[in-house]
Amino acid sequence: AQSVTQLDSHVSVSEGTPVLLRCNYSSSYSPSLFWYVQHPNKGLQLLLKYTSAATLVKGINGFEAEFKKSETSFHLTKPSAHMSDAAEYFCVVSDPGYSTLTFGKGTMLLVSP
Amino acid sequence: DSGVTQTPKHLITATGQRVTLRCSPRSGDLSVYWYQQSLDQGLQFLIQYYNGEERAKGNILERFSAQQFPDLHSELNLSSLELGDSALYFCASSVRMSSGANVLTFGAGSRLTVL
Repeated sequence: AQSVTQLDSHVSVSEGTPVLLRCNYSSSYSPSLFWYVQHPNKGLQLLLKYTSAATLVKGINGFEAEFKKSETSFHLTKPSAHMSDAAEYFCVVSDPGYSTLTFGKGTMLLVSP
Repeated sequence: DSGVTQTPKHLITATGQRVTLRCSPRSGDLSVYWYQQSLDQGLQFLIQYYNGEERAKGNILERFSAQQFPDLHSELNLSSLELGDSALYFCASSVRMSSGANVLTFGAGSRLTVL
C-alpha cells in the first residue's frame, strides 16, 4: 500500500529565504514521486517528478527535490522564496502497477515580504 | 492552460438535485481521473477511466457515477446532492511514462456549492 505524509500543514518564510517542505512516503515498491502546486482558486500544476532516474530532481520555478530511499523522504526545496511561491503544495506517490496516485494532505506555503 | 477542460467552472444547486460535470482530456491522453477536494477531506480520488473502460475506483459514493465516451471526454454525475458534496471537483488526464508512472495533468476544476 502506498501513502504519503506531509510533515507540516503550514510553512511561513520571508521573501528571499530558503524553502523546505517535508514529505515522507510509504511504498512497497520503488515508487514514483511528484510534487504538485495549487495556487488559490486554480488547478494543480506539476512541479517536478521522480521516476527512478537521478535522485536529485529539478522542477519548474527553481524548485528541487531529493529522493532519499534510506529515509523514505522526498523533501521539496528552493534556495530563495518569492512572493509568487505562496500556494499549497502536494506531495504525491505512485506505486508501479497502480494507475492511481495518492496525495498528501498538502502544505500551505506563506511568503511574507 | 493545461489542456484539460472542465465545465462548468462554478455550479450552485440545491440539496436533492442532480448535476453533471464534464471533462475533456488533453489531446492524446486516454486516461481520465476524477478527484474531489474539500477542506475536511483534502484531495480524494474518485474514479479513473482508460479508453472508455473503468480502470480504478476510489472513495466514490454510490450516488455518484461517471463514464468516458468514445471521444474520450468524461462526465461525472452527482445525484441526490447533500450539503457535504460541496467541493471542488477536478478532472485530470494522464500520459504513461516509460518508467510506468502516470503523470497527471489537471483541469482548473468545477466548484460545486450545494445549498
